[in-house]
Amino acid sequence: QQPVQSPQAVILREGEDAVINCSSSKALYSVHWYRQKHGEAPVFLMILLKGGEQKGHEKISASFNEKKQQSSLYLTASQLSYSGTYFCGTEGCQKLVFGQGTRLTINP
Amino acid sequence: DAGVTQSPTHLIKTRGQQVTLRCSPKSGHDTVSWYQQALGQGPQFIFQYYEEEERQRGNFPDRFSGHQFPNYSSELNVNALLLGDSALYLCASNWKGDLYNEQFFGPGTRLTVL
Repeated sequence: QQPVQSPQAVILREGEDAVINCSSSKALYSVHWYRQKHGEAPVFLMILLKGGEQKGHEKISASFNEKKQQSSLYLTASQLSYSGTYFCGTEGCQKLVFGQGTRLTINP
Repeated sequence: DAGVTQSPTHLIKTRGQQVTLRCSPKSGHDTVSWYQQALGQGPQFIFQYYEEEERQRGNFPDRFSGHQFPNYSSELNVNALLLGDSALYLCASNWKGDLYNEQFFGPGTRLTVL
């Protein structure tokens, strides 16, 4: 079942903070976050695993609440390069199911 | 180190035709997953290939089929194309289908069905 992301879109000024949420109706074992810029491939940001382990490349923080079946991505002091669509993916039956995306626009 | 490559970049077909899309995984990866991404939507899992066999499949009809070659590259075939098949088709690769490490996505093939 597809996870639900909120908000669907957000517009920020450079330097502002944002939170993107991802929730599932099923128990979560892992949550994956990707960012996709227009016309480009999705790029890996972070994996959050049940038990607290996190794997990521960028200075982006996230949380994973197993009981609430939710994850949140925190973008602080946003930069213009953070613009794009953010997708969360949840694992089910050895495959990833992605949410519908959250479009983030950063204005100077 | 070459990343995931896909060909062609764009493709225009008419209803009823058949199409083949190609993907070469990142060097060192042996598993290829295919996704369909409609405009404004998240990627939807089509299927995954590992050791030249389809290992997992999403909710797509049998018109969608695939193949993996001994060099780990993969093809996605779609028969009897429908207008609704118009989308960006993404290929992603990783090692042994391990979902606890990142997948690397290719740039995609934009398919337009007229």
